[in-house]
Amino acid sequence: AQTVTQSQPEMSVQEAETVTLSCTYDTSESDYYLFWYKQPPSRQMILVIRQEAYKQQNATENRFSVNFQKAAKSFSLKISDSQLGDAAMYFCACLKQGSQGNLIFGKGTKLSVKP
Amino acid sequence: DAGVTQSPTHLIKTRGQQVTLRCSPKSGHDTVSWYQQALGQGPQFIFQYYEEEERQRGNFPDRFSGHQFPNYSSELNVNALLLGDSALYLCASSPPRHYGYTFGSGTRLTVV
Repeated sequence: AQTVTQSQPEMSVQEAETVTLSCTYDTSESDYYLFWYKQPPSRQMILVIRQEAYKQQNATENRFSVNFQKAAKSFSLKISDSQLGDAAMYFCACLKQGSQGNLIFGKGTKLSVKP
Repeated sequence: DAGVTQSPTHLIKTRGQQVTLRCSPKSGHDTVSWYQQALGQGPQFIFQYYEEEERQRGNFPDRFSGHQFPNYSSELNVNALLLGDSALYLCASSPPRHYGYTFGSGTRLTVV
């Protein structure tokens, strides 16, 4: 069975600084997808970034980038130039290819941004 | 362009009752997945609907059932409610043959 572990229940960062959120996963699949979702108090899960496991290049979306270490099964999220609006719960998720919507989520990391 | 719409936003039910939650997918999306998110936890997959049929199911009892309509909207039904069913229920839709999931803001269900 797939599992996703986020070992940091809470993190804090100063505005304009950089923060890295950790995520490890366990899967026996060779083809899968990894995601970071942001959940603000509005409750809606918002996709931050996505990585296909077969791609060696780390995904980047503006201020958000990942460090994907396939052998170590690690998928960390780096947020650069943190903004107050980045404060939220962040969830790491894994989806095996062919799985019909069965995203496996971690327990989340609560990120606070200090002005 | 409306995203994923869920109704109602909040709901209070009594143990043993039945509840129906509704979801309208994003325009252009034909697949709907449902998740249960308990307080302080990540979402857990309940099931996915495609072409009006349940395509995959997570580890949830038969009390949880669903339906998808020809316009791709979906319902989640929970029978014989338990206190432990209190959670945020999230709906996510995705386009054909793509792993891009768009989530709604959820329905907060409280069972008393």
